[in-house]
Amino acid sequence: GQSLEQPSEVTAVEGAIVQINCTYQTSGFYGLSWYQQHDGGAPTFLSYNGLDGLEETGRFSSFLSRSDSYGYLLLQELQMKDSASYFCAVTIGSSYKLIFGSGTRLLVRP
Amino acid sequence: KAGVTQTPRYLIKTRGQQVTLSCSPISGHRSVSWYQQTPGQGLQFLFEYFSETQRNKGNFPGRFSGRQFSNSRSEMNVSTLELGDSALYLCASSLGTSGRRVNEQFFGPGTRLTVL
Repeated sequence: GQSLEQPSEVTAVEGAIVQINCTYQTSGFYGLSWYQQHDGGAPTFLSYNGLDGLEETGRFSSFLSRSDSYGYLLLQELQMKDSASYFCAVTIGSSYKLIFGSGTRLLVRP
Repeated sequence: KAGVTQTPRYLIKTRGQQVTLSCSPISGHRSVSWYQQTPGQGLQFLFEYFSETQRNKGNFPGRFSGRQFSNSRSEMNVSTLELGDSALYLCASSLGTSGRRVNEQFFGPGTRLTVL
């Protein structure tokens, strides 16, 4: 089967840096994605890592280590609007099935 | 470019009834995926359609079914509704090809289903 683990909640201060980790156990791993979801809203795509290493998109960066079955999302210069739930998702095999983690609720405090 | 649309946005049904939800993907997107989101279980994958064919299926009972039309619009159907089917049902579309493109899914606002 497949399983993903990420912390349920993280709290950080505005302007700080926060890292949300994701570990996975899957067969047929293809890639790791990150999505953001505000309360009452739909998930929105943040980043995708198909290869090991760091991907940077503005204030957000995502990292993948396939050998460690581990990835993380790094949010810099936190803003109040970053308060949301963040989901890691693994793509399984060549058929591109996407399996989501249970989500990490990020609370940014002033 | 219009986003993913889902209808209806809210639905109330009673146990034993059936329901059909509709999803219109972003123009040009050939892949449509369906997810069930509940507070306790997070986002659970239901199925994915690509060019009218079911390409992937999650671990849901046969009461959950779907289809995709030639214009990429998709419907999902739940028969014999149970209380536990109350959830937000999200549809997502993507280009459906390899790499980042298939993983960059664009979600609709969802249909909130309440089963009484």
